[in-house]
Amino acid sequence: GAVVSQHPSWVICKSGTSVKIECRSLDFQATTMFWYRQFPKQSLMLMATSNEGSKATYEQGVEKDKFLINHASLTLSTLTVTSAHPEDSSFYICSARRGSHSAYEQYFGPGTRLTVT
Amino acid sequence: RKEVEQDPGPFNVPEGATVAFNCTYSNSASQSFFWYRQDCRKEPKLLMSVYSSGNEDGRFTAQLNRASQYISLLIRDSKLSDSATYLCVVNNNNDMRFGAGTRLTVKP
Repeated sequence: GAVVSQHPSWVICKSGTSVKIECRSLDFQATTMFWYRQFPKQSLMLMATSNEGSKATYEQGVEKDKFLINHASLTLSTLTVTSAHPEDSSFYICSARRGSHSAYEQYFGPGTRLTVT
Repeated sequence: RKEVEQDPGPFNVPEGATVAFNCTYSNSASQSFFWYRQDCRKEPKLLMSVYSSGNEDGRFTAQLNRASQYISLLIRDSKLSDSATYLCVVNNNNDMRFGAGTRLTVKP
């Protein structure tokens, strides 16, 4: 199957700082990548959909100026949490879609656990 | 009403038991359906797709009832390794929506 990597897998940062998370599709080109957030014992919540070369589409309630998404290439999307606060502590997971129409070929990265102190 | 609703459980069953999970979805235009498995602190992984005709993969059987907007997952002869959270996922126009998950613990 296809491989999606995330880096870092785990990060602790101080309140007010920014954190960048990378999502890479290692063996396929992903025109679309998705960023999810999952709080403990809750479901994955879609934050934004990122298309290569264009602006990300954010879900309602997700601040685009706080969660900056860049999808500069077909294999890399980044999520930057700006001015992080403790309430941003969560498990951030990206997924990458291979192909343009098949929901069957959507692969998840291993996730990044962010803790803001 | 949530787009995808699941019984959160937890389900605690002995090895060898049969267990069933249910899921309902609100968008009747949803096009495809999946069950994912998520282990603690890990990413979700696709378990199986769900078809209207029902489909089976070893000990796992998935069913879809479009009229009732209902999806199920049946696990037979459960193993310790089946312990995980099972996520119901509904796709509409390539927008995947996740249920909150049902936690299963299989005990010896």
